[in-house]
Order: sequence, then structure tokens, then C-alpha cells
Amino acid sequence: GQNIDQPTEMTATEGAIVQINCTYQTSGFNGLFWYQQHAGEAPTFLSYNVLDGLEEKGRFSSFLSRSKGYSYLLLKELQMKDSASYLCAVRDGNNRLAFGKGNQVVVIP
Amino acid sequence: EAGVVQSPRYKIIEKKQPVAFWCNPISGHNTLYWYRQNLGQGPELLIRYENEEAVDDSQLPKDRFSAERLKGVDSTLKIQPAELGDSAVYLCASSLGPRTGELFFGEGSRLTVL
Repeated sequence: GQNIDQPTEMTATEGAIVQINCTYQTSGFNGLFWYQQHAGEAPTFLSYNVLDGLEEKGRFSSFLSRSKGYSYLLLKELQMKDSASYLCAVRDGNNRLAFGKGNQVVVIP
Repeated sequence: EAGVVQSPRYKIIEKKQPVAFWCNPISGHNTLYWYRQNLGQGPELLIRYENEEAVDDSQLPKDRFSAERLKGVDSTLKIQPAELGDSAVYLCASSLGPRTGELFFGEGSRLTVL
């Protein structure tokens, strides 16, 4: 099975930087995804890491360390529309994609 | 290009009644997933299809849940009979393949069991 752990909630100010962490334990590894989910909406894809290192995409960056079972999502220049839940998901050796509980980010003016 | 389409968006039923959800994946996507999401939780995989074959259904409660994907395109998820604890959002997603790219999610079907 898979075990994916994320902190539950954080509050940050508009324009700030936040880092959302994700640790995982899995049998085999075929990639890690970050999704954004606004309240009442479906998850939307943000980033994908399969090799160690940092992937940058605009204001969002994602880092992966496979040896440590660790990833983080970095959100820069926070905007009000970034208030959402951020889900970490890991694809295991059987290609099962399991999600963590999500981290709720609240952006305040 | 159309995204993943699900229906109905909302469904309210009494316990012990049956309910069915329908999903049309993105054209050309061979892999289809059904997830269940409870409030404040991440999506939980129920079943994954590769074309018309259910390759991962170990987390599907088979006593009351069933699913099918005829002709490897559309899929239906059924619950019979529904229980109070089945109230959740049922999300359908699709991807090009089991290891290819990201999952694209539909808007979900919100089920309330009274």
C-alpha cells in the first residue's frame, strides 16, 4: 500500500511564498503529482516529478527527492485565487495513483 | 477539446436505493479511473480501467459497488443498495495510459444519501 502525508492547513499573505510538503512511502515509484483543487471543483494538474530535482513552471515549482520519499510544492507571489487545497499524489510500482489528504492554503490580503 | 464529462452532477437518494453515475473520458484516453472523495479528504481510488479491462479494483466494495466500461470508452459506476456512508463526490478521471501523463478529472457527481 501507500502512505502519503501532508500538513492540513496553512495561511499566508498575498504576495508571499509558501512551501507545501509531502512525504510518502510506496512500493515502487512511477512519479509524483501535485494537483490544485478549489472548493466544490475537480482537481486540476499542476506538476509532475519522476526524477530528483526541481521543476519550475511559472509561479509554481515542485521538488522531489526519491531517496527521502519527499516532495514540496513552492507557490510564489501568492494571489487570492491560489486559496485552494493542494493534493500530493504518488504513482506506485503497479501504476496506482494514490492521493494524500491535501493541504488547505488560505491566502489573506 | 472536450474534457471528462460526468453525470449527474448531483444526486439525492434515500438509503437502500440504487444509484448510477456515468463518465465519458477524453477521446483517445485508454485509462479511466473512478475515485471517491469525502469532505476534507483526498480522492480515494475505487477502480482503474485499461481500455475495457478492470486492472485495479482492489479498493472497490464489491458487495454493493459495480462498474463497467463497455467498448473501452464510457463507464458506469453503480451502487446498490446505497448506505449513508456512501455520501461523497464520485470523480471520474482519464489519462492517455497507465504511466503516461497526468489525470484529467471530470467535475464529479455529488451523492447525498438520506
